[in-house]
Amino acid sequence: DSGVTQTPKHLITATGQRVTLRCSPRSGDLSVYWYQQSLDQGLQFLIQYYNGEERAKGNILERFSAQQFPDLHSELNLSSLELGDSALYFCASSAGDAALQYFGPGTRLTVL
Amino acid sequence: DQQVKQNSPSLSVQEGRISILNCDYTNSMFDYFLWYKKYPAEGPTFLISISSIKDKNEDGRFTVFLNKSAKHLSLHIVPSQPGDSAVYFCAAIETSGSRLTFGEGTQLTVNP
Repeated sequence: DSGVTQTPKHLITATGQRVTLRCSPRSGDLSVYWYQQSLDQGLQFLIQYYNGEERAKGNILERFSAQQFPDLHSELNLSSLELGDSALYFCASSAGDAALQYFGPGTRLTVL
Repeated sequence: DQQVKQNSPSLSVQEGRISILNCDYTNSMFDYFLWYKKYPAEGPTFLISISSIKDKNEDGRFTVFLNKSAKHLSLHIVPSQPGDSAVYFCAAIETSGSRLTFGEGTQLTVNP
């Protein structure tokens, strides 16, 4: 158990809809990262928040947004969903801008 | 542009033998490398890492070798055990940044 929690575990929705994925980092970790893993691919970095502020951005679509709240949990919002958004979404946390990131179990999103 | 590549999607090894997983990278700014292990329905778990100032790091049955001139790293598992069967991801980071860049993963199967 990494100490990082993600909800929900599974999410099935239709094209055009909007969903919110939630992540709680390890106790004491200030940084939260979001990654997307599509079928048979590596994890692609989406975005990082540090203590409530956006710190780094990767290949995140404009239809996607994230935020980190004062209690340090984070939410990833995906809107106008398309079939290609079906993937595993992982959250990770670290103490700071640390290379060693601890991953949650992921949310499997299926867009039908 | 795939900056971290794992060219072998799968590897099958007999229990007790050595498993060698390979990873190549193209970005010379990467200065820290990690291996993560992933079981189905779980998030990636940190296994071992190496800084670019070293060429070898060992932790029990796991050893990571780094060849900077060739931009190549490898993970050796000796002896391999059936419980090692998982997907192994190589990841790299510029420690001035915060995003991990992952390879596509190698499915290791250790046969009893």
